[in-house]
Amino acid sequence: GQQVMQIPQYQHVQEGEDFTTYCNSSTTLSNIQWYKQRPGGHPVFLIQLVKSGEVKKQKRLTFQFGEAKKNSSLHITATQTTDVGTYFCAGRGGSNYKLTFGKGTLLTVNP
Amino acid sequence: NAGVTQTPKFQVLKTGQSMTLQCAQDMNHNSMYWYRQDPGMGLRLIYYSASEGTTDKGEVPNGYNVSRLNKREFSLRLESAAPSQTSVYFCASSGQGFGYEQYFGPGTRLTVT
Repeated sequence: GQQVMQIPQYQHVQEGEDFTTYCNSSTTLSNIQWYKQRPGGHPVFLIQLVKSGEVKKQKRLTFQFGEAKKNSSLHITATQTTDVGTYFCAGRGGSNYKLTFGKGTLLTVNP
Repeated sequence: NAGVTQTPKFQVLKTGQSMTLQCAQDMNHNSMYWYRQDPGMGLRLIYYSASEGTTDKGEVPNGYNVSRLNKREFSLRLESAAPSQTSVYFCASSGQGFGYEQYFGPGTRLTVT
């Protein structure tokens, strides 16, 4: 079945440093979504990417969808303590019309 | 506008007991989902309902049943709880299917002893 791999599993940064998490799929994706989950909280939708090579920005967050639509990344510039949490990608594609979530990247930020 | 609500927030069961997790949404969404989240495993789909009157299995349906009671409500039932079902359960809803953003409830933390 479809697999969505996410790396790294954990990332610890100093406040002000940049952070990137990567998502790779075994199959071509029709769309990919990103979610953030604060510790003890529930996942919250951040963005959806649909087009090949698409780049979207939300303030300090930059989301990219690869040209082959098999990978995606989330980059945070100058992290803040409010960025702490687990970031999940979720992809849909091929014969699988359901969303498959990656295992997430836990970001911790040292103030 | 409460969004997606879930009850209970916490539950402890003994092996073999049954229980129903309740979920309701007030966003007039057609699709609803049940996920479980285990440490290091991400979110895994248990069951979903694309629209009122339909349900279908997800990745990990064994040991669970669901009911789409009406457009607002989607319940998850554990008929005979097992320790392997200890997890955090999230309900979610979306406008129409997996191509739309999903709104998650606060979760139910279930422990089976």
